[in-house]
Amino acid sequence: DVKVTQSSRYLVKRTGEKVFLECVQDMDHENMFWYRQDPGLGLRLIYFSYDVKMKEKGDIPEGYSVSREKKERFSLILESASTNQTSMYLCASSFRVETQYFGPGTRLLVL
Amino acid sequence: SQELEQSPQSLIVQEGKNLTINCTSSKTLYGLYWYKQKYGEGLIFLMMLQKGGEEKSHEKITAKLDEKKQQSSLHITASQPSHAGIYLCGADLNYNQGGKLIFGQGTELSVKP
Repeated sequence: DVKVTQSSRYLVKRTGEKVFLECVQDMDHENMFWYRQDPGLGLRLIYFSYDVKMKEKGDIPEGYSVSREKKERFSLILESASTNQTSMYLCASSFRVETQYFGPGTRLLVL
Repeated sequence: SQELEQSPQSLIVQEGKNLTINCTSSKTLYGLYWYKQKYGEGLIFLMMLQKGGEEKSHEKITAKLDEKKQQSSLHITASQPSHAGIYLCGADLNYNQGGKLIFGQGTELSVKP
């Protein structure tokens, strides 16, 4: 069975804190993705990665960075969290151009 | 404006009724994916369509991709409360872009018992 896990379901942080969101997949997928989901705006791609140590900017990369040191793990980093980064964060993985499988999501609140 | 438009944005139906959700693009859809999301959770993959005119079914849910590959519909027959949630379409709009998808805004479905 396909499995994508995210480190936290809910997270509360203060403005200016450094935030790490972790995503792990156990399917040996090359591709991994980070999205944020906001009401009325749908899913927007932040960053994606085609391979270890490779990363590409998505549609809204500002304020975020990523790290992929191992194939199964893709981390999203908020260097200095701001209130406008309060959102639902979703990680996904896929084998090349095939179906993306999603994790359960992390609901982040920045105060 | 959205590259992928879903309609309606929300839908309330009586249990047992049929319903259709549409997903429309001005560009050719090289791959069209339907997902379902329960509130506050991740997306669950439902079906994927690639060929013009393709139709797939799973239990009471049927998805079709039109011949021109610019519109897809998701049809639920005899809806049940378990069908409630947000339905999202995701599409590959650029051939050979390595699996990168664009998503519609979602359709929120409520099913009244």
